[in-house]
Amino acid sequence: DAGVTQSPTHLIKTRGQQVTLRCSPKSGHDTVSWYQQALGQGPQFIFQYYEEEERQRGNFPDRFSGHQFPNYSSELNVNALLLGDSALYLCASSSIAGSHVRTHTDTQYFGPGTRLTVL
Amino acid sequence: GEDVEQSLFLSVREGDSSVINCTYTDSSSTYLYWYKQEPGAGLQLLTYIFSNMDMKQDQRLTVLLNKKDKHLSLRIADTQTGDSAIYFCAESIMGGGADGLTFGKGTHLIIQP
Repeated sequence: DAGVTQSPTHLIKTRGQQVTLRCSPKSGHDTVSWYQQALGQGPQFIFQYYEEEERQRGNFPDRFSGHQFPNYSSELNVNALLLGDSALYLCASSSIAGSHVRTHTDTQYFGPGTRLTVL
Repeated sequence: GEDVEQSLFLSVREGDSSVINCTYTDSSSTYLYWYKQEPGAGLQLLTYIFSNMDMKQDQRLTVLLNKKDKHLSLRIADTQTGDSAIYFCAESIMGGGADGLTFGKGTHLIIQP
């Protein structure tokens, strides 16, 4: 059973550029959440996608956008990169259906992350 | 808004018990979590507790929840060198199990030989 996978592992960009990060959820999961983890900090919730729509959003600017595909995989796009966008970007998957019956599938499982460096 | 607070560091001797504490602010949180992060790695779900529980035990891990004080703790019995990591407390933003999470800044667990 494949867990959550993310690509690429590392990425280097320059200020002003745009970046796309990718995530495939754990088998059986239908929901993907994205988090930004700056060095020495806890992860910060960016947004969550379910049924190909943004379901919840954290306190991040519109430069951060996303997409979910019919196979439940997801992309995170960041436009006009700033130096402060340098961070580990984590994807987590969960199951909305599972949350209603409170099984173990309603918790979030994280991928290994994509390390983004903005120069 | 929601906020989760944790001590930044905890140092324990190998074989002792480690107790990592956390306070949260959202009384409507239904799910509270503990995650572990090793250097250069993603987050590993350790355990979680429903808000209608006071305690949950899972092998060497014991979670205690005090809803009145909004206090959550994680006890690791017989701490080993492999337990050295950053431990994050988290609560669900909207209270549900599949919702986005608010994390603390993490507690660095340091194991002394």
